[in-house]
Amino acid sequence: RKEVEQDPGPFNVPEGATVAFNCTYSNSASQSFFWYRQDCRKEPKLLMSVYSSGNEDGRFTAQLNRASQYISLLIRDSKLSDSATYLCVVLFSGGYNKLIFGAGTRLAVHP
Amino acid sequence: NAGVTQTPKFRVLKTGQSMTLLCAQDMNHEYMYWYRQDPGMGLRLIHYSVGEGTTAKGEVPDGYNVSRLKKQNFLLGLESAAPSQTSVYFCASSYRGNSNQPQHFGDGTRLSIL
Repeated sequence: RKEVEQDPGPFNVPEGATVAFNCTYSNSASQSFFWYRQDCRKEPKLLMSVYSSGNEDGRFTAQLNRASQYISLLIRDSKLSDSATYLCVVLFSGGYNKLIFGAGTRLAVHP
Repeated sequence: NAGVTQTPKFRVLKTGQSMTLLCAQDMNHEYMYWYRQDPGMGLRLIHYSVGEGTTAKGEVPDGYNVSRLKKQNFLLGLESAAPSQTSVYFCASSYRGNSNQPQHFGDGTRLSIL
């Protein structure tokens, strides 16, 4: 079983739609959680951290459920520029704070 | 702002050849990392370094070696390239390994081994 699992998609949605991605992680000792965005053939970039109480950044809302070991990302009012792969990332505290990356969920927003 | 710079951007090698990938960062970060990304899989850590002169193995270190002789540079070496090492390689750096210090990535090296 993968340590971080995501639905690979693709999610094909029209502009203006609301779309949600889910992610599950297997290690209950996970300490911190992030969503990264990766455009085609580009490097991953940090989109937002995920806090226990949930947090919002503009059109993006992240939620964490530690009991279910589940993370979500909600995108409202999708834009064409949101088309990318979204990586769920979990950090395990240790000698160097190990990041475990999910394989990503691909989003395609169409006109 | 240069950030994290990787060279080369693309390379094609024959099986058995050797090469070195260079990663340079100008943010005075202590920690540096080498990942590989393959289709359908998340980024996997090859080796990392928590400071100048130190290196350690990550999740998939076999077939690779690294060196961190200068704080700003982290080199990844393939001594005898194999087709299984065909991948996209990303270097990253962070100020420390703290949870609130995000990793900054270079734009990748696409490596094909024939």
